Amino acid sequence: GDSVTQMEGPVTLSEEAFLTINCTYTATGYPSLFWYVQYPGEGLQLLLKATKADDKGSNKGFEATYRKETTSFHLEKGSVQVSDSAVYFCALSSANDKIIFGKGTRLHILP
Amino acid sequence: DAGVIQSPRHEVTEMGQEVTLRCKPISGHDYLFWYRQTMMRGLELLIYFNNNVPIDDSGMPEDRFSAKMPNASFSTLKIQPSEPRDSAVYFCASSLELWGNIQYFGAGTRLSVL
Repeated sequence: GDSVTQMEGPVTLSEEAFLTINCTYTATGYPSLFWYVQYPGEGLQLLLKATKADDKGSNKGFEATYRKETTSFHLEKGSVQVSDSAVYFCALSSANDKIIFGKGTRLHILP
Repeated sequence: DAGVIQSPRHEVTEMGQEVTLRCKPISGHDYLFWYRQTMMRGLELLIYFNNNVPIDDSGMPEDRFSAKMPNASFSTLKIQPSEPRDSAVYFCASSLELWGNIQYFGAGTRLSVL
């Protein structure tokens, strides 16, 4: 079945560092791919999405590119801030199926 | 729209008691999802509805758990009887469609069963 694998955390970085959170997927067909973010004490919210190969989703300085050849959707940000501390979930949605979430990666940004 | 609204935000109860969690989805959304989040197991889909009809309840852990959606604007998740291992954060989410659509999450209900 479809699945999502993302790097385990926690990931700890200093402010202004470069961030990469790896995500790979297994799916039949052509899924849509998502990154969701969960801030402390809140529910998940969409950060960005991509619906087809080579699409780049972007929001709040974060980017991820849909790579069909490597079945990946890595999340990147050039300069992280303390306010980016949260849990990040990679997810996919295949035709006629619900969203499948990865296990989440906790990110800590030190001032 | 106010978003997905869950109540209560926090619930503390004793083992064996009945617990009812409530959710109001975003108006016009046809799909409603219930999730459970724990440190050990991460985010788990319990059940989802389409147009008030349960479609997939394969994630419901056991018969102690039940969910209903009597109308398009209200859903409940009930645990009877509750056990300490049910302690978790329970999220409700809604979306317009199933495939490729954004899910909008509520703020969650943190349940503690003593």
